[in-house]
Amino acid sequence: DIVMTQSPDTLAVSPGERATLSCRASQSFGNNLAWYQQKPGQAPRLLIYGASTRATGIPARFSGSGSGTEFTLTITSLESEDVATYYCQQYNMWPPITFGQGTRLEIK
Amino acid sequence: DVQLVQSGGGLVQPGGSLRLSCAASGFTFSNFWMTWVRQAPGKGLEWVANIKEDGSETYYVDSQTGRFTISRDNAKNSVYLQMNSLRSEDTGVYFCARDIDCSSGTCYRRPYDLWGQGTMVIVSS
Repeated sequence: DIVMTQSPDTLAVSPGERATLSCRASQSFGNNLAWYQQKPGQAPRLLIYGASTRATGIPARFSGSGSGTEFTLTITSLESEDVATYYCQQYNMWPPITFGQGTRLEIK
Repeated sequence: DVQLVQSGGGLVQPGGSLRLSCAASGFTFSNFWMTWVRQAPGKGLEWVANIKEDGSETYYVDSQTGRFTISRDNAKNSVYLQMNSLRSEDTGVYFCARDIDCSSGTCYRRPYDLWGQGTMVIVSS
């Protein structure tokens, strides 16, 4: 199984500043890497797929990058509505599909 | 509207059974694999199982093989998760999601762009 490890577990960023979230895979799997945002009591929301393509309706302040085993989600100019937990997911080599443990993003 | 609407769930005693349902609308259900993902209280997301667009293939996370069964009825645009021999560690929110796209005749791996609202399962005596 591909193990996805996210860092940090919790990140506090001031409004208007940049947030950088990392995701590392235990082995290379191509670029079928997605990022999701989840707010309490809600289903996850797809932000990024193919490592760097924004999903429909996602603001341009969200961007994804990386390849191989190292991936990054960047949120430029953080807004209060971005407070959530963010998950990376590899959907290339399965079963099983695997998710990272999540990064909780807070406002400083 | 393109949506997945879940039903089922609730409180069940250890060793009991439960069936979750997920009804799709607004898209051609029979062109897509479907998936179940769960989330234990305060924990992350865990993929549970998926099923091929025609129901001919199913896959499970190793820890659930034998206790859970995923199935679908394309005539009813619905996917199901039958859960037997439930344990306390099965407690959590269960989500259905749209998976691999076979609309063009060739199937493409894709992320989960459409999710159900989630349904709570509590296994407790």
